[in-house]
Amino acid sequence: SQTIHQWPATLVQPVGSPLSLECTVEGTSNPNLYWYRQAAGRGLQLLFYSVGIGQISSEVPQNLSASRPQDRQFILSSKKLLLSDSGFYLCAWSSGSFNSPLHFGNGTRLTVT
Amino acid sequence: AQSVTQPDIHITVSEGASLELRCNYSYGATPYLFWYVQSPGQGLQLLLKYFSGDTLVQGIKGFEAEFKRSQSSFNLRKPSVHWSDAAEYFCAGKFSGGYNKLIFGAGTRLAVHP
Repeated sequence: SQTIHQWPATLVQPVGSPLSLECTVEGTSNPNLYWYRQAAGRGLQLLFYSVGIGQISSEVPQNLSASRPQDRQFILSSKKLLLSDSGFYLCAWSSGSFNSPLHFGNGTRLTVT
Repeated sequence: AQSVTQPDIHITVSEGASLELRCNYSYGATPYLFWYVQSPGQGLQLLLKYFSGDTLVQGIKGFEAEFKRSQSSFNLRKPSVHWSDAAEYFCAGKFSGGYNKLIFGAGTRLAVHP
C-alpha cells in the first residue's frame, strides 16, 4: 500500500533563517505531488504541484520554493523565512488520473518567531 | 472561476443528533467532489468522493453525501453524530481545465456536545 511521510512534525525557526521540509511517498511510482499551506483559521492553499521529476508549478508567488529531486521526493524550501510563513504545511500525492483523490501526510507545524 | 464554498464556519450539534454540512461549487461542468476530515494537528483523511452515477455516495465512519446538480451542492450527512466526529471538515473539487488540482472550501469546524 502507499504511504506518505512528512518531516519534521513541528519546527520553530527564527525570521530570516532557511527552511527545508521534506516529503516522500512509498508504494507508488510517478505520483503527482502537492504542497499545501493551512494558516490558522483558514482553509488550504495550494502552493506547488509537480507531475514529475524537476517539474514544479507554483500557484502563489512568495518566498518559498519547491523541488523534486527524485520521483517520490518533494521538498519545500525557503532561503529566508518571514513571520507570515508560519502555518501548517501539508504534502499530498495522487495518481495521474483526474478522478483520483489526494492523499495527505500528517503535516508540519511551522512557527516563525 | 472555479470555487468551492462551505457556508458554515462552525457548527455545534449534540451527540446522537443528525448532521448536515453544506458545500456548494461554482462551475459549469460537474466537478469531481470530495469530503475530507481533519483532526487537530493531523493531515486530511478522505471520507468519500463523487465522480458520476448514483448521486448518494457512502463513505467511511458512517458518513454519506448527496450530489444535487440543480443546487450545485454536495452536502455531507450523518444520521447520528458521535463525540469522536468533532473535527474540521473540508469539501473539495477537481474541475476540468484545472489540471489535477484540488480546490478546497474554507472548512467547517464541528463541535459535538455530550
